[in-house]
Amino acid sequence: EVQLVQSGAEVKKPGESLKISCKGSGYSFTGYWIGWVRQRPGKGLEWMGIIYPGDSDTRYSPSFQGQVTISVDKSISTAYLQWSSLRASDTAMYYCTLLHCSRSSCYAGDASFDYWGPGTLVTVSS
Amino acid sequence: DIQMTQSPSSLSASVGDRVTITCRASQDIRNDLGWYQQKPGKAPKRLIYAASSLQGGVPSRFSGSGSGTEFTLTISSLQPEDFATYYCLQHNSYPLTFGQGTRLEIK
Repeated sequence: EVQLVQSGAEVKKPGESLKISCKGSGYSFTGYWIGWVRQRPGKGLEWMGIIYPGDSDTRYSPSFQGQVTISVDKSISTAYLQWSSLRASDTAMYYCTLLHCSRSSCYAGDASFDYWGPGTLVTVSS
Repeated sequence: DIQMTQSPSSLSASVGDRVTITCRASQDIRNDLGWYQQKPGKAPKRLIYAASSLQGGVPSRFSGSGSGTEFTLTISSLQPEDFATYYCLQHNSYPLTFGQGTRLEIK
């Protein structure tokens, strides 16, 4: 069974650093790309970026380029999303999701392909 | 970047109604679009892939259509469990982009 297990909720102060994780199991970790999605309280879904665990090829959405770092440790089948200096505006739920992609775009997969982590709630408050 | 314009932003409807949600892409994305349902506190769930194919386990009252720049999600007869927020997601090119979402509420 394919599973994405995300790290637990975090409460941080502005200016602090943070790294949250998404551990994949039940599939070949280098077989799919992993994406990160932000959802601020009461707001819509925002695509942050995507990484290929095979070689760490990473594509950021322009709004998130330079604001976060997406990385992966394929030896432990885990992807990461990190901040060097959190802001109150980073308060959100963060989801990881599996995608079937190439270097230029992503594919729909088939009728059974839809895998998401449960989300990690990050709260940034002084 | 490809912009996805979703409408309406909110919709009030009754059980049994037929509803349609639209997404318009800023450029041709072929059929590289999925429709997602999200309930409060839960991760999104894909309903439709490749613009018009039904995800496994999803009721047949959900359907998708369109290609190129215009796409629609239709729920043929609303059920109580369908009241949620719906999003389109284009995956034709990086960066992937979501529509702004449609909140479907009970009238």
